[in-house]
Amino acid sequence: SQQGEEDPQALSIQEGENATMNCSYKTSINNLQWYRQNSGRGLVHLILIRSNEREKHSGRLRVTLDTSKKSSSLLITASRAADTASYFCATVDSGNTPLVFGKGTRLSVIA
Amino acid sequence: EAGVAQSPRYKIIEKRQSVAFWCNPISGHATLYWYQQILGQGPKLLIQFQNNGVVDDSQLPKDRFSAERLKGVDSTLKIQPAKLEDSAVYLCASSPYGQGAGYGYEQYFGPGTRLTVT
Repeated sequence: SQQGEEDPQALSIQEGENATMNCSYKTSINNLQWYRQNSGRGLVHLILIRSNEREKHSGRLRVTLDTSKKSSSLLITASRAADTASYFCATVDSGNTPLVFGKGTRLSVIA
Repeated sequence: EAGVAQSPRYKIIEKRQSVAFWCNPISGHATLYWYQQILGQGPKLLIQFQNNGVVDDSQLPKDRFSAERLKGVDSTLKIQPAKLEDSAVYLCASSPYGQGAGYGYEQYFGPGTRLTVT
């Protein structure tokens, strides 16, 4: 099964700045999901985007999907110290097989 | 709504010993998953249950790992005997949707059990 690859592996920004992280994958997908993991709240689902969608928003989060390039990006606007966490993309391929996670991007937001 | 509960939160054992983890999913959730997350990596699916039946256990090392979901609610994951490479966080997740709905929905994760094998 395929695995999404996040880029960069680590990102450090100042509070108030925007953070962008990318995910690339190899085969056709049914949907792509973004999750956040920190020590306080564990692994939490952020947003799901289906293969026929190009962009979704949720609060300060914006996710785009480009199926022709097999890539997705997660933008966090006006970042806060509380956004410090690891962010994972996870894909469900078109064969509807189980969720497969990437290795994640570690985001540090400095106050 | 109560979240996914897991216990214990931490466990330290010696290699070749046995260990068991417990998970109580969100009430009414049909599907339950066990993941293994090694430090620095994303979670890897070990086994998926729908109600009390196994849907996918293709990545479960069946020579040492076993899992069951009694009455379609709680689940236990066991390792016997443990190896050093089993040191990881074991995550339980649940979803309200069954296999018929596909995997197109979010999963709700518990806090995990951090296992250290020495």
